[in-house]
Amino acid sequence: QVQLQESGPGLVKPSQTLSLTCTVSGGSISSDGYYWSWIRQHPGKGLEWIGYIYYSGSTYYNPSLKSRLSMSVDTSKSQFSLKLNSVTAADTAIYYCAIKIVGTFFDYFDYWGQGSLVTVSS
Amino acid sequence: DIQMTQSPSSVSASVGDRVTITCRASQDISTWLAWYQQKPGKAPKNLIFAASSLQSGVPSRFSGSGSGTEFTLTITSLQPEDFATYYCQQAKSLPLTFGGGTKVEIK
Repeated sequence: QVQLQESGPGLVKPSQTLSLTCTVSGGSISSDGYYWSWIRQHPGKGLEWIGYIYYSGSTYYNPSLKSRLSMSVDTSKSQFSLKLNSVTAADTAIYYCAIKIVGTFFDYFDYWGQGSLVTVSS
Repeated sequence: DIQMTQSPSSVSASVGDRVTITCRASQDISTWLAWYQQKPGKAPKNLIFAASSLQSGVPSRFSGSGSGTEFTLTITSLQPEDFATYYCQQAKSLPLTFGGGTKVEIK
C-alpha cells in the first residue's frame, strides 16, 4: 500500500518561499502512469489542483500559480517537492501531495498524504 | 479552464435516505470524471472514477452515472459514516478542476 507524507515548515513569512516535500513509501516513485501531484485546500474551502511532476521530471503547473511555482523529484530518496515563491496570506492552506493515476480510460487521484497546514504570516 | 458546478452545495438527510448530488461541466468531458469523499480533518478519498467505476473497497451503495456535461453521484440508504463533503473532479483537460463540494449533513 502506497503511503505519502508531507513535510515542511508550518509557518512562512509573506514574500518568502513555501517549500514542502512529499515522501513516498510502499511503492516506486518511478512507476509508469503515476503523476506526483500537489493539491491545496484553503481553510473551509474547496480543492485546488496545483500541478504535477512525473518521475522523468516533466511537469505541468496550474496557470494560476505557474509564475511562482516549481516542482522537483528525487527518485533516489523517493521524494518530490514543491516550491511556491512570493507567498501571501492567500497561500495559507492545507497542502496535500497525491498520486494521480492515469490509464487508458481513467485518470484520478488515488493516494493522498494526510495534508500539511501552511500559514503565511509575519 | 473547465468549470465544474455541483448542486446542491449542502443537503440535510437522514440515515437510510437516498441522496443524489449533481455535477455539471462547462464543456463536454466524456466520462473523465471522478468523485471524492472528504471527512473533517482528513484527506479526500476516491469513490468513483471514469464517471461510474466504483473504487475498490467502496460500498456498493455509492454509484456514479453520466457523461458529457452532466453527472450524478447517488448514495442509496445513507449510513452514519457517509456524512461528509463530496467533490467531483474533471480529468478531461489541464488544469484539472474540482467542483465546489456538497456537504451531506445529518437531518
